[in-house]
Amino acid sequence: AQSVTQLDSQVPVFEEAPVELRCNYSSSVSVYLFWYVQYPNQGLQLLLKYLSGSTLVESINGFEAEFNKSQTSFHLRKPSVHISDTAEYFCAVNVGAGTASKLTFGTGTRLQVTL
Amino acid sequence: NAGVTQTPKFRVLKTGQSMTLLCAQDMNHEYMYWYRQDPGMGLRLIHYSVGEGTTAKGEVPDGYNVSRLKKQNFLLGLESAAPSQTSVYFCASRYRQGPYEQYFGPGTRLTVT
Repeated sequence: AQSVTQLDSQVPVFEEAPVELRCNYSSSVSVYLFWYVQYPNQGLQLLLKYLSGSTLVESINGFEAEFNKSQTSFHLRKPSVHISDTAEYFCAVNVGAGTASKLTFGTGTRLQVTL
Repeated sequence: NAGVTQTPKFRVLKTGQSMTLLCAQDMNHEYMYWYRQDPGMGLRLIHYSVGEGTTAKGEVPDGYNVSRLKKQNFLLGLESAAPSQTSVYFCASRYRQGPYEQYFGPGTRLTVT
């Protein structure tokens, strides 16, 4: 069974500083990888995804993640964070196809951006 | 489009009471899911459905039942609520074909006393 590990439960960072949120997964087969963001008291929103092709994927609000097959990682980065990026971020992996495919989520990383 | 909606947003139950959470989606998605979110544990899959009239167990199904009588609706039932079921419940849906991204509702915060 696949699993997803987010090593940092909380990441405090100052505004305009860079940030990296780490995600590692365990799977011996091809996977689809996702990052979701959850703002306070809201549901999860898709931030970005890796399906195939270029290993570097970007979101519309400046986040990027790089798929590294050899290290089984999909770390999320942003070169300069904003107060509004304060949220919880979940990494997820989808393995399998058809009715057997499901998402497995990591335990989340709370990003706290302060002035 | 409203996307995925959940009813109610908040609920407080006493131990032993029953209730049903309703999830509705207007995106014509075939697959629907129920998750619970607890601090430090991420999201755990309770039950899911790959089509109208079909349901299957997820990772933590005990104490819950589900029904999918219509394609757009997915109901989660608690027959006899327990304090361990205090959680935030999220519904999600997606298309049968890839790319497998799920769309989430706003959640229901349930407290069982």
